[in-house]
Amino acid sequence: EPEVTQTPSHQVTQMGQEVILRCVPISNHLYFYWYRQILGQKVEFLVSFYNNEISEKSEIFDDQFSVERPDGSNFTLKIRSTKLEDSAMYFCASRVDRGPSYEQYFGPGTRLTVT
Amino acid sequence: AQSVTQLGSHVSVSEGALVLLRCNYSSSVPPYLFWYVQYPNQGLQLLLKYTTGATLVKGINGFEAEFKKSETSFHLTKPSAHMSDAAEYFCAYNDMRFGAGTRLTVKP
Repeated sequence: EPEVTQTPSHQVTQMGQEVILRCVPISNHLYFYWYRQILGQKVEFLVSFYNNEISEKSEIFDDQFSVERPDGSNFTLKIRSTKLEDSAMYFCASRVDRGPSYEQYFGPGTRLTVT
Repeated sequence: AQSVTQLGSHVSVSEGALVLLRCNYSSSVPPYLFWYVQYPNQGLQLLLKYTTGATLVKGINGFEAEFKKSETSFHLTKPSAHMSDAAEYFCAYNDMRFGAGTRLTVKP
């Protein structure tokens, strides 16, 4: 069964460094998401991406964050200058289309630790 | 703002007992509602969803949920809890807005 994959599974970085989290969505899906989950807390929407542009973003997704689909398969989240509070699990998800009735398929997540 | 609220951050049941996890939504338009499960150190997995039609929705692993417009609720139930049901459960609205989650513990 097709699945969303994410790399790396765990990333440790120093405060102020740039990180890129990578995701490979399911191949025929058109709508992509990034979410964040701080340890023990709720899943928070960051951004959605459709037709090669940001469709919607939350207040968390500030200028430090960017997303890109550099080729036909990868979907990346870049954090330009990491802060301690960026430490969290980051989940990528994809959906076959943008209608709200379509469910999302989540990757296993990348644990980001900022020291 | 349109959202979902999960009542109870932690629910503990005995194995074989009824599981009831509560979710209420606030919306001025008909919602699409979802329940996801997150096992330890894993991503989220869809349990079930309500879009239109039948208000009682059956999902995987014996879970079901009933959409009640009059109560603005979409509670998740399972008649008999199993040890493997221990996980975090998230209600979601229109598949992007998640509730705070309910951690289910199952006691032997």
